Amino acid sequence: AQSVTQLDSHVSVSEGTPVLLRCNYSSSYSPSLFWYVQHPNKGLQLLLKYTSAATLVKGINGFEAEFKKSETSFHLTKPSAHMSDAAEYFCVVDNQGSNYKLTFGKGTLLTVNP
Amino acid sequence: NAGVTQTPKFQVLKTGQSMTLQCAQDMNHEYMSWYRQDPGMGLRLIHYSVGAGITDQGEVPNGYNVSRSTTEDFPLRLLSAAPSQTSVYFCASSPKGQGARGYTFGSGTRLTVV
Repeated sequence: AQSVTQLDSHVSVSEGTPVLLRCNYSSSYSPSLFWYVQHPNKGLQLLLKYTSAATLVKGINGFEAEFKKSETSFHLTKPSAHMSDAAEYFCVVDNQGSNYKLTFGKGTLLTVNP
Repeated sequence: NAGVTQTPKFQVLKTGQSMTLQCAQDMNHEYMSWYRQDPGMGLRLIHYSVGAGITDQGEVPNGYNVSRSTTEDFPLRLLSAAPSQTSVYFCASSPKGQGARGYTFGSGTRLTVV
């Protein structure tokens, strides 16, 4: 079965410093991987997706993620945090046998300090 | 296009009451699904449908019923609400052939069962 582990439940950074949100996945096949962001009391917004094309994926708002098969990782990064980046971030994998189903990580809350 | 529309946005129920959470999409998407979000748990799949007349269970289906009589609508029914069903519910849809890559999420329904 597929699974996703977000290694940090809470990450705190200062504005202008780099952001790193870590995600490891487990899958017996070549998965599609996603990062979603959820701002307080809002819905889910797709940041970026990996679907077996380029391993370095660029998303919206300056975020990017690198798919590393050897490390089974899909970490999310941003060179310089902005106050508006404060939100909860979910790493997500699709499910073998039914690529419509998603398995979500438990989320990482990003706090950005002024 | 309105995308995926969920109603109501907020609801308070008493234990044992029944209600239906509405989800409608105007994108002619074949696939629709319901997820619930609980603190520290990410999102978990309740039920999904790959087309009109076809539904199936997800990870946490107990206590919920669904039907898909039209392509546009995918209501979620709680027959006898329990406090454990207090959660935020998200509906999502995707076009045929795109799987998880084509997901569009609704803005959510926040349900409290007292």
